[in-house]
Amino acid sequence: NAGVTQTPKFRILKIGQSMTLQCTQDMNHNYMYWYRQDPGMGLKLIYYSVGAGITDKGEVPNGYNVSRSTTEDFPLRLELAAPSQTSVYFCASSYSNPSGGFSTDTQYFGPGTRLTVL
Amino acid sequence: QKEVEQNSGPLSVPEGAIASLNCTYSDRGSQSFFWYRQYSGKSPELIMFIYSNGDKEDGRFTAQLNKASQYVSLLIRDSQPSDSATYLCAAWAGSSNTGKLIFGQGTTLQVKP
Repeated sequence: NAGVTQTPKFRILKIGQSMTLQCTQDMNHNYMYWYRQDPGMGLKLIYYSVGAGITDKGEVPNGYNVSRSTTEDFPLRLELAAPSQTSVYFCASSYSNPSGGFSTDTQYFGPGTRLTVL
Repeated sequence: QKEVEQNSGPLSVPEGAIASLNCTYSDRGSQSFFWYRQYSGKSPELIMFIYSNGDKEDGRFTAQLNKASQYVSLLIRDSQPSDSATYLCAAWAGSSNTGKLIFGQGTTLQVKP
């Protein structure tokens, strides 16, 4: 298994440009997540999905959009890039059983995309 | 706002010592807690999780949870230079099918030979 893969690894955007960060997992996980990590900071959740066709906002969704048309793929779209979106973006996935009251599920992270907006 | 707080460090310990990493959380409803390790330039990987008060041991790692004090810690025994990394504490906020992980900012650990 490749696990969670992300493309591209690095990207430089100009202010106002748009791009899509790709994320694919081959573990048949139902949950997928997008995080951003600013230097010296923890991870902030942007969007997540509990299954194909279902997405929800995280802590910092403004300026981003997602879709989940298949179990495997969870692309993150940046519209009108701004310098504040300069960050490292991590995609993650987990298998979660939605019957319990809390989670002990392991999230598996992709290698990250380092994005700079100039 | 639900928060998870960690001292960013760096925490420096000599090789072979016990490293103690601490974390507090604000949401009393949080029931499960996770420790992730992140090497510089790499993605986070899970070390262990805990959801019951008390200690949970896994090899050289021990997680401790005190829900009354809203406090989670990670002890690393016999610290090795390869343990040098940033350790992220996370709390699960909400139910398992609608919740999400809230991460602290991480503590950087340096183990000196």
